[in-house]
Amino acid sequence: QSVLTQPPSVSGAPGQRVTISCTGSSSNIGAGYDVHWYQQFPGAAPKLLIYGNSNRPSGVPDRFSGSNSGTSASLAIPGLQAEDEADYYCQSYDSSLSTWVFGGGTKLTVL
Amino acid sequence: QLQLQESGPGLVKPSETLSLTCTVSGGSISSNIYYWAWIRQPPGKGLEWIGSINYSGRTYYNPSLKSRVTIFVDTSKNHFSLKLTSVTAADTAVYYCARLAVGATTPFDSWGQGTLVTVSS
Repeated sequence: QSVLTQPPSVSGAPGQRVTISCTGSSSNIGAGYDVHWYQQFPGAAPKLLIYGNSNRPSGVPDRFSGSNSGTSASLAIPGLQAEDEADYYCQSYDSSLSTWVFGGGTKLTVL
Repeated sequence: QLQLQESGPGLVKPSETLSLTCTVSGGSISSNIYYWAWIRQPPGKGLEWIGSINYSGRTYYNPSLKSRVTIFVDTSKNHFSLKLTSVTAADTAVYYCARLAVGATTPFDSWGQGTLVTVSS
């Protein structure tokens, strides 16, 4: 059971918009700790996709956007493309556990 | 271009100690603005932070693993290492090393490619 809760899977057709939620609590996202998102392809290491809730590292397409509110965060991908099919993880810090924590991951399928 | 590379045995027997090293290239492990971390991912499952260390040896460990984990740094070799004792099949995972800037709100911005460690007799 992950501290941050994500849907196990989401799907969408090319060109559609999908969102992936990340639900936390008052000791992590709700406490103001930043949320970061990672993209992971099969057999590869996770890659930083969004940092500080809504910032994109250099080289990440502006199709990817992040936001948060209260105890939850979201990753939005409008204009879905086939190459976006991957696993996505949210990550933050939890002050009650004193640990960096990850969501359980969401598998994005492009139909 | 910063690169991190994990190395170590791919097979460990139950009850023995798992030992891995992460070699950093393209940057100095002695920087005082970064921590260096170990993260693992069991097959088909999610990510779990194991612990972090800075250049001076200051460590933070996941409480769920703290009794079995030691992370240490060798600045002369620009690498840091992980030891996990008394392993069981539940410790079978891909182990990643990663970098994060100092602070609780910073991301893991660079990752090694990962190394699969299987615990089996």
